[in-house]
Amino acid sequence: DAGVIQSPRHEVTEMGQEVTLRCKPISGHDYLFWYRQTMMRGLELLIYFNNNVPIDDSGMPEDRFSAKMPNASFSTLKIQPSEPRDSAVYFCASRFSGGYGYTFGSGTRLTVV
Amino acid sequence: KQEVTQIPAALSVPEGENLVLNCSFTDSAIYNLQWFRQDPGKGLTSLLLIQSSQREQTSGRLNASLDKSSGRSTLYIAASQPGDSATYLCAVSDSGYALNFGKGTSLLVTP
Repeated sequence: DAGVIQSPRHEVTEMGQEVTLRCKPISGHDYLFWYRQTMMRGLELLIYFNNNVPIDDSGMPEDRFSAKMPNASFSTLKIQPSEPRDSAVYFCASRFSGGYGYTFGSGTRLTVV
Repeated sequence: KQEVTQIPAALSVPEGENLVLNCSFTDSAIYNLQWFRQDPGKGLTSLLLIQSSQREQTSGRLNASLDKSSGRSTLYIAASQPGDSATYLCAVSDSGYALNFGKGTSLLVTP
């Protein structure tokens, strides 16, 4: 398996633009997590899904952020409109409910100018 | 809300030294605790996982301990090597699913 695949690796966008981050979890994993990492706040959980259903989105900072998981092999995190304070590295992770290990993607480094 | 703190924030040691990284958490009702490694520009790699019923886990030169009652965990690295240079993150799970991370300890092992 190629692991958790995130795209794009880097994204630079202008303030006010829509940004879509993508994640392909490991096949067979039924939990998917989106995290955001900044120097100030470290790694923060944004939202997680179980069997494609959002379970906890209390970490989503505001209505500008939305996440979907239309099927077991794909998830998106959308920011509309983007702001400079959204600049961070966004990680996707997946795990199987029958185990304990998490697999993280390599992250998307988002810069909003 | 579970708060996870890691001390020190940064550490520099000469090659060959044994070292200890510390992690503390505020709510002792945890499901498990994990230690991750993060290399610059990369994702996270899981190193060790300790279930709430366990006291320690070992993998090669790494040993992680857990004291739930005091809300503490330590990661012991024996005979450190330059290749161990990375950021080490402690993460606590209250439910067995979502992870609460500390801000990490940045380790530099000098030759």
